[in-house]
Amino acid sequence: RKEVEQDPGPFNVPEGATVAFNCTYSNSASQSFFWYRQDCRKEPKLLMSVYSSGNEDGRFTAQLNRASQYISLLIRDSKLSDSATYLCVVKINTGGFKTIFGAGTRLFVKA
Amino acid sequence: DAGVIQSPRHEVTEMGQEVTLRCKPISGHDYLFWYRQTMMRGLELLIYFNNNVPIDDSGMPEDRFSAKMPNASFSTLKIQPSEPRDSAVYFCASSLAPGTSGYNEQFFGPGTRLTVL
Repeated sequence: RKEVEQDPGPFNVPEGATVAFNCTYSNSASQSFFWYRQDCRKEPKLLMSVYSSGNEDGRFTAQLNRASQYISLLIRDSKLSDSATYLCVVKINTGGFKTIFGAGTRLFVKA
Repeated sequence: DAGVIQSPRHEVTEMGQEVTLRCKPISGHDYLFWYRQTMMRGLELLIYFNNNVPIDDSGMPEDRFSAKMPNASFSTLKIQPSEPRDSAVYFCASSLAPGTSGYNEQFFGPGTRLTVL
């Protein structure tokens, strides 16, 4: 079983749609959580951190459920520019912090 | 302000040749990470350094791979000898210390696209 699992998609949605991505992690020592975005043939970039209380940044909302070891990302009012791969990222406290990336979920937003 | 710099951006080599990838982290960042990304395996952490010292190299696939960080502004990832299955995009990233929470951003370089024929 992979340490961080995501639905690979692709998700094909029209502009204006709401789309949700899920991610599960297996290591209970996981301590910090993130969503990164990666455009085609580009490097990953931080989209948002995910905190226990849940957090929102404009059209993006992230949730964390530690009991179920589950992270989610909700995108409202999708834009064409949201088309990308969304990577779920978990840091495991091993004394230092080991970073584990999920395989990513591809999103295509169409006009 | 310059981000993480990697060179070369593209490398095509033949099986058996030595390949050296280079990275300059963001000034002031004391953590440096090397990742490999392929379609099959996604983004994998190979090794990371703290203050130029390797902390975790458990992701390094085998002895053919080695990484060094001789100073705070430079790191190399070397593959010797290279094999076709090493073909991938290799990313370098850097960050400030994560603190006790582990919440900090990793900044990625543009990557080196390696093709081994």
